[in-house]
Amino acid sequence: QKEVEQNSGPLSVPEGAIASLNCTYSDRGSQSFFWYRQYSGKSPELIMFIYSNGDKEDGRFTAQLNKASQYVSLLIRDSQPSDSATYLCAVFTTSGTYKYIFGTGTRLKVLA
Amino acid sequence: SAVISQKPSRDICQRGTSLTIQCQVDSQVTMMFWYRQQPGQSLTLIATANQGSEATYESGFVIDKFPISRPNLTFSTLTVSNMSPEDSSIYLCSGRGGQNYEQYFGPGTRLTVT
Repeated sequence: QKEVEQNSGPLSVPEGAIASLNCTYSDRGSQSFFWYRQYSGKSPELIMFIYSNGDKEDGRFTAQLNKASQYVSLLIRDSQPSDSATYLCAVFTTSGTYKYIFGTGTRLKVLA
Repeated sequence: SAVISQKPSRDICQRGTSLTIQCQVDSQVTMMFWYRQQPGQSLTLIATANQGSEATYESGFVIDKFPISRPNLTFSTLTVSNMSPEDSSIYLCSGRGGQNYEQYFGPGTRLTVT
């Protein structure tokens, strides 16, 4: 059973701080990794994807991938109250049927 | 990025009836998926919609209950058949495409079965 695991939270950080969200996955053959943000009552919104080991930065967001440790993380710098949402980690697997496997999500609260 | 629309956005249906949800993508996508999401829960994949052939269903989901069509690379439908209150949920379609094969979601269909 391929799995993606996240801490459900809530993760509370003060405004302006760095929020660190973590995700582990079980399928070593996974090639691509995604972070989605989901506000209550809305559909998931893609905010970052990463394919190679290392860091990838986009504005206030940095995705980090370590395939050897099967670990993906998302850092949000200068956190804002508007960043308060659930963050979903997803892994695209090509082992067997091609599909995305989602974690259960981490709820982030940024305190003003 | 792909823009995905779904119809209807919400519906209230009677037990035993069926509802067909439409999903339209503004560009061709290689793969389309249908998910279900209960309030406060993560996404559950129902099936992968395959163009021109039968959908690939996940464990616990069957074609008789959730028939899916995908006549071309930009459109798919999901039917929720013989509905019961347990089918009340948000149904999301998604498409995988773009330069980096990202997955984008439609706005969802909120279904309530009474």
